[in-house]
Amino acid sequence: AQSVTQLDSHVSVSEGTPVLLRCNYSSSYSPSLFWYVQHPNKGLQLLLKYTSAATLVKGINGFEAEFKKSETSFHLTKPSAHMSDAAEYFCVVSDRGNQGGKLIFGQGTELSVKP
Amino acid sequence: NAGVTQTPKFQVLKTGQSMTLQCAQDMNHNSMYWYRQDPGMGLRLIYYSASEGTTDKGEVPNGYNVSRLNKREFSLRLESAAPSQTSVYFCASRRTSGAYEQYFGPGTRLTVT
Repeated sequence: AQSVTQLDSHVSVSEGTPVLLRCNYSSSYSPSLFWYVQHPNKGLQLLLKYTSAATLVKGINGFEAEFKKSETSFHLTKPSAHMSDAAEYFCVVSDRGNQGGKLIFGQGTELSVKP
Repeated sequence: NAGVTQTPKFQVLKTGQSMTLQCAQDMNHNSMYWYRQDPGMGLRLIYYSASEGTTDKGEVPNGYNVSRLNKREFSLRLESAAPSQTSVYFCASRRTSGAYEQYFGPGTRLTVT
């Protein structure tokens, strides 16, 4: 069975400082992993995805994530936070073997950015 | 391309009323999905359609029905709304082959009183 745990429900950083949002996953098969961002009252936008190519994945807006199989982790990072990064972030897993391409979502991490 | 569109954006229902949420995509995707989002619970899959002509239950299907009208459109129906169905509903679509990311609509905010 697949599952995702986002280790922090809320993270607060100052503008210009690094961002780290933590995600652990469980998957029976070779997983695909995603990070989505949701700004207030908006839909979900794909930030980046891992699908078994390079383990360090670069996404939009300066975000990146590293797939670590030994640690079953897929943490999201950004070197320098911007005010516009304030949003909710979801770590998502999909077993490439599952029927229908279903996604399993983590509970979300709310990122606050202080001036 | 408009991507994934949903109507309506907002809706208030009384307990027992029925309604249909509409979703359409213009990306020629085979698979479509309905989710609900509740605070602190991420998104949970209600129903999905892996291809035109097929539908399957997801994690929380009770109280809902779906129709895959054609390749573009996938509707979600609440036959007898309950306060527990107060939520934000998202539709998504995906190509069948290649990467597995889903593309999401803007959501429908539903309140049942």
